[in-house]
Amino acid sequence: SQKIEQNSEALNIQEGKTATLTCNYTNYSPAYLQWYRQDPGRGPVFLLLIRENEKEKRKERLKVTFDTTLKQSLFHITASQPADSATYLCALDPLSGSARQLTFGSGTQLTVLP
Amino acid sequence: KAGVTQTPRYLIKTRGQQVTLSCSPISGHRSVSWYQQTPGQGLQFLFEYFSETQRNKGNFPGRFSGRQFSNSRSEMNVSTLELGDSALYLCASSLGTPRNGYTFGSGTRLTVV
Repeated sequence: SQKIEQNSEALNIQEGKTATLTCNYTNYSPAYLQWYRQDPGRGPVFLLLIRENEKEKRKERLKVTFDTTLKQSLFHITASQPADSATYLCALDPLSGSARQLTFGSGTQLTVLP
Repeated sequence: KAGVTQTPRYLIKTRGQQVTLSCSPISGHRSVSWYQQTPGQGLQFLFEYFSETQRNKGNFPGRFSGRQFSNSRSEMNVSTLELGDSALYLCASSLGTPRNGYTFGSGTRLTVV
C-alpha cells in the first residue's frame, strides 16, 4: 500500500542553524511534491512545490530537493528562527487524470530554540 | 485578496445528528477539496469538486457528502454523526491545476458528543 513517512515527529534545533526535514514515500509515483506549514488550530499554508523532473527548488530561506530514485524529498530551512517553529507537512500529488488529490505525511513538528 | 473562508469555526453536535459545513474559496478558484484532520490519522482526503462536479472521492463512508455551487462555494454534509467524526475539517481551494499549491481555510472544528 502507499505510504508516506516524515523522518521524525519532532525536531528541535538551535536558532541560526539549518533544519532538514525528510519525506520518504513507497508504492507511489507522484508527479508533484508539496510542502506545507501548519500552526496549531490553523489550516496548512503552502510553501513550495517541486515537480518530478526537478531536482531542487528554492524560495528565500527554504530549499526542497526531490529524488524520485530514492523516493525522497528533503526540506531545508536555513538560518532558522523561532518564528519557523511549526509542523511541516509533505504532500504528494499523483496527477492522475483530472482528479486532484493530495496525500499527506503525518508531519514533523519543528521547534527552533532561541 | 480574501482567503478561503470556512464556517462555522467550531461546532458541537450529538451522535446521530447531521451537520453541514461551508467553504467559500478564493475568488477565481474553481477547485475545492475537503480534508479531515485527526491526531491519529492526520490529514485525509474526502473529496474534490471542480465546476460543480465531484472529480475525486476519498475512502470515506457514504455518510460524508458534498456539493459545489455555481459560484464555486462548497458544502460538505455528514449524516448520522459518530464520535469518530470529531475532527478538524479543512477546505482547500485551487485553480484546478497543481502548479500553485492549495490554499487552505482555517477549518471547522467539529466535536461529536
